[in-house]
Amino acid sequence: DSGVTQTPKHLITATGQRVTLRCSPRSGDLSVYWYQQSLDQGLQFLIQYYNGEERAKGNILERFSAQQFPDLHSELNLSSLELGDSALYFCASSVGQLMNTEAFFGQGTRLTVV
Amino acid sequence: GENVEQHPSTLSVQEGDSAVIKCTYSDSASNYFPWYKQELGKRPQLIIDIRSNVGEKKDQRIAVTLNKTAKHFSLHITETQPEDSAVYFCAASGASGGSYIPTFGRGTSLIVHP
Repeated sequence: DSGVTQTPKHLITATGQRVTLRCSPRSGDLSVYWYQQSLDQGLQFLIQYYNGEERAKGNILERFSAQQFPDLHSELNLSSLELGDSALYFCASSVGQLMNTEAFFGQGTRLTVV
Repeated sequence: GENVEQHPSTLSVQEGDSAVIKCTYSDSASNYFPWYKQELGKRPQLIIDIRSNVGEKKDQRIAVTLNKTAKHFSLHITETQPEDSAVYFCAASGASGGSYIPTFGRGTSLIVHP
């Protein structure tokens, strides 16, 4: 157990819908990363939050947004879903931006858009 | 931003053989290089990491080497076992706008035949 919790584990929804993925980081970790893993693809960085503030953006679509709350949990919102958004979405956390160290991954949320 | 290339995409070996996975990175500011193992349907987990002030690091059957000048690093697994079968991801992490963002390679699917 990495200490990073993601819910739900599985999500099936229709095209055009909106979903919210939730992540609780390890206790004490201030930095949260979101990654997308499609079939046969690597881990594509989407966005990072540190202590409630957005710190870096990667290949995140405009239909996607995220936030980190005062209790440090984070949510990734995916809207106007398309078939191509079907993927495994991972959240990871680390100590913070002052230290370049290991990122701990959650179990992921498998999103299927039908 | 950082770009990480990983080769090969698939590696098939016999039990007891050695396996080598190679990665290159583009950003000379990257200074932390973790390797993650992802078993089927599970989350990526750190197996070994190396920092830019070290050229080689070993942990039992696993070793990682880093050549900063050439900007490449490699994972070496000796005496492979069937349980080593998984997807392995390399990553490079360096400061980007004040944050450390791990950028991952596309992964290597290692298959160890008994």
